[in-house]
Amino acid sequence: DAKTTQPPSMDCAEGRAANLPCNHSTISGNEYVYWYRQIHSQGPQYIIHGLKNNETNEMASLIITEDRKSSTLILPHATLRDTAVYYCIGMAYGNKLVFGAGTILRVKS
Amino acid sequence: DTGVSQNPRHKITKRGQNVTFRCDPISEHNRLYWYRQTLGQGPEFLTYFQNEAQLEKSRLLSDRFSAERPKGSFSTLEIQRTEQGDSAMYLCASSPWDRPNYGYTFGSGTRLTVV
Repeated sequence: DAKTTQPPSMDCAEGRAANLPCNHSTISGNEYVYWYRQIHSQGPQYIIHGLKNNETNEMASLIITEDRKSSTLILPHATLRDTAVYYCIGMAYGNKLVFGAGTILRVKS
Repeated sequence: DTGVSQNPRHKITKRGQNVTFRCDPISEHNRLYWYRQTLGQGPEFLTYFQNEAQLEKSRLLSDRFSAERPKGSFSTLEIQRTEQGDSAMYLCASSPWDRPNYGYTFGSGTRLTVV
């Protein structure tokens, strides 16, 4: 599975968009980009995933570059409850999730 | 759909004792995963099942660890002769292998403290 690189931490003002970057330059053509987050003392929560096209759901948007070497998770209007560790994972369908260190997102009022 | 349930939520045990954790996945999910997470780290994969078959085990899973999923429903993770280094959060997740859009659903974990 692809190795991903994320900044260790980011801050965001409440109500503003949070843009979380992820580099995955070695991603293979059959590997999806998955995003999960983990709020303190809870299990990870699935957010969104994509292969080539940009994706949007009720939680977030995922923008994948055309060369698929990087992506950005966008939380359009961050709230204090979005403070969490965000994990970007490259994974082929049917394989297991392999977590890195993730990005600590702090949403501040 | 009641989500993934893990019991107990917390377990404190003395070094050398055996402990067993239980995971009840979402009923229609045929894949079940166990992860371990220590403070400040991302979850580390331990093992996974498809139905009752254990398909992969990490090298992290020493011979003191054993996992079962006898009827393809709930799973147990047993640690024998616990050591202080086993102190961690043990997470269970489930997924329907044929629907990748679904992602994994994780439980809230069992926090083990070995004293």
